[in-house]
Amino acid sequence: GQQLNQSPQSMFIQEGEDVSMNCTSSSIFNTWLWYKQDPGEGPVLLIALYKAGELTSNGRLTAQFGITRKDSFLNISASIPSDVGIYFCAGREETSGSRLTFGEGTQLTVNP
Amino acid sequence: ETGVTQTPRHLVMGMTNKKSLKCEQHLGHNAMYWYKQSAKKPLELMFVYNFKEQTENNSVPSRFSPECPNSSHLFLHLHTLQPEDSALYLCASSQASGAAQPQHFGDGTRLSIL
Repeated sequence: GQQLNQSPQSMFIQEGEDVSMNCTSSSIFNTWLWYKQDPGEGPVLLIALYKAGELTSNGRLTAQFGITRKDSFLNISASIPSDVGIYFCAGREETSGSRLTFGEGTQLTVNP
Repeated sequence: ETGVTQTPRHLVMGMTNKKSLKCEQHLGHNAMYWYKQSAKKPLELMFVYNFKEQTENNSVPSRFSPECPNSSHLFLHLHTLQPEDSALYLCASSQASGAAQPQHFGDGTRLSIL
């Protein structure tokens, strides 16, 4: 089945630095979602994107729906310790109905 | 705080036991989902229910049996599980399946099979 390539797998940064991660697919998606999962909890929706080229912000987080409709990016500016967690991208193919495909996640560590 | 509540949060069971996982959503959604989350792997969709009707079964073994009595409640009945079934089981809901609606997750049940 469809797979998403999410990179990087892990990041170790200093507090205050900016972070960028991305997901790519081999097929066209009509929806991109970004989630964050803290230890012992379920994924929490951060940003939803529905149109190619769409750029959406949520506080210090900004995500973009790639023009080709095969990729998406998430940027975190001025990172803080509570940004630590696993960030997942998820996408919905044009032909997949309700099915979401998830990336493997990016483990973010922020050093104070 | 989440609008999707899962119980129990942790479950340890033997391979011959029968247990059930429960999910309840307070968001007024009509679609509910079961996912399996294993270490180092993407979330795996197991089942989809839309307006109480099962619309997807992602080739899940029959030792997992879902039940959706209404749009707010979803169960996953477990019997004769295998050690490789140990994982975090996540429930999610959305306004409706097939629509461009994001899914909202519960905090999961951490299942350990002895």
